[in-house]
Amino acid sequence: DSGVTQTPKHLITATGQRVTLRCSPRSGDLSVYWYQQSLDQGLQFLIQYYNGEERAKGNILERFSAQQFPDLHSELNLSSLELGDSALYFCASSVSGQGNNSPLHFGNGTRLTVT
Amino acid sequence: GNSVTQMEGPVTLSEEAFLTINCTYTATGYPSLFWYVQYPGEGLQLLLKATKADDKGSNKGFEATYRKETTSFHLEKGSVQVSDSAVYFCALSDPDYGGSQGNLIFGKGTKLSVKP
Repeated sequence: DSGVTQTPKHLITATGQRVTLRCSPRSGDLSVYWYQQSLDQGLQFLIQYYNGEERAKGNILERFSAQQFPDLHSELNLSSLELGDSALYFCASSVSGQGNNSPLHFGNGTRLTVT
Repeated sequence: GNSVTQMEGPVTLSEEAFLTINCTYTATGYPSLFWYVQYPGEGLQLLLKATKADDKGSNKGFEATYRKETTSFHLEKGSVQVSDSAVYFCALSDPDYGGSQGNLIFGKGTKLSVKP
């Protein structure tokens, strides 16, 4: 058990809808990262937050947004959903925001299916 | 740009066979290199890492050496077990993000199946 909790485990929704994925980081970790895992694109880094502030942005679409709250949990909001957004979304956390001594701990993911 | 290429699977081996999963990378600067493992229905777990050239990462019988001259980080294990069946991902820390371990560029993954 990595200590990172993601909810829900599965989500099925229709095109055009909006969903929110939630992540609770491991106790003591200040950074949260979101990744998307799809069959065609593989694992792609979306965005990172550190102690409530956005730290880095990867291949995140404009229809997607995220935030990290004062209690350090994070939410990833996906809107105007398209079939191609169907994927496994992982959250990961680490103690610090940068540097090579802060490994990632991954949650078990949220599987999103857009129909 | 920065990228990771790893051998395509699936790889099927018999128990106690020798395992090699090839991984090569392209990167500016000096990234750290990682192998992550994903068991069915679970998230990724860090298997091993190396932060500079010639470093050898090792864990649970797996090892990989950071080879700057060949830009490679091949994963090896001398004797695989059924419990090693999983998907293995090679990754590098994106130098464009200051080498943070969190902003990782992953390979496509290699599925390993070990038969008894």
